[in-house]
Amino acid sequence: DAGVTQSPTHLIKTRGQQVTLRCSPKSGHDTVSWYQQALGQGPQFIFQYYEEEERQRGNFPDRFSGHQFPNYSSELNVNALLLGDSALYLCASSFGGNQPQHFGDGTRLSIL
Amino acid sequence: AQKVTQAQTEISVVEKEDVTLDCVYETRDTTYYLFWYKQPPSGELVFLIRRNSFDEQNEISGRYSWNFQKSTSSFNFTITASQVVDSAVYFCALSEVDTGTASKLTFGTGTRLQVTL
Repeated sequence: DAGVTQSPTHLIKTRGQQVTLRCSPKSGHDTVSWYQQALGQGPQFIFQYYEEEERQRGNFPDRFSGHQFPNYSSELNVNALLLGDSALYLCASSFGGNQPQHFGDGTRLSIL
Repeated sequence: AQKVTQAQTEISVVEKEDVTLDCVYETRDTTYYLFWYKQPPSGELVFLIRRNSFDEQNEISGRYSWNFQKSTSSFNFTITASQVVDSAVYFCALSEVDTGTASKLTFGTGTRLQVTL
């Protein structure tokens, strides 16, 4: 039973570019959440997708957008990259309400 | 607003020692969930435990135990007889109780535990 899978593992971009990160939830899960973890910090909630709609959003600018597909997989898009966007981006999936979220290994994004 | 504080930035212990990781939280919600996650160097956050605010019973799972005290807003985590494999960053987190989709997690800044031989 595959867990949460994220791609790519690592990514290097330059300022101003755009990036797309991908996440496949754990089998049986229908909700995907995205978190940003800066070095030495705890993860910060970006947004959550359920039934292909954004359900909750954290304190992140509109440069951060996402999508969920009918198979429950999800993408995180970041436009106009800034140096401060360098971080580990974690995807978490869960099923229904009140169930623990399970995390993937993350995508490490470096902005030069 | 919710807030989680993990005052211990880094702890170093020798194998077989017991170690307690502290977690203090703030929330205006009357019902909420508390969590502990482990993050090894690989980066994946590994779920350890979830506790409902209604349930103040302590819990033990093997070498792990958790002490939830609502009166002091604390949810501490103890590892008994620590092992080198316990070396990781440990995060305490808080979420609302939502009957719909899973609520967002608010994390602390983490405690890095290093266990040496």
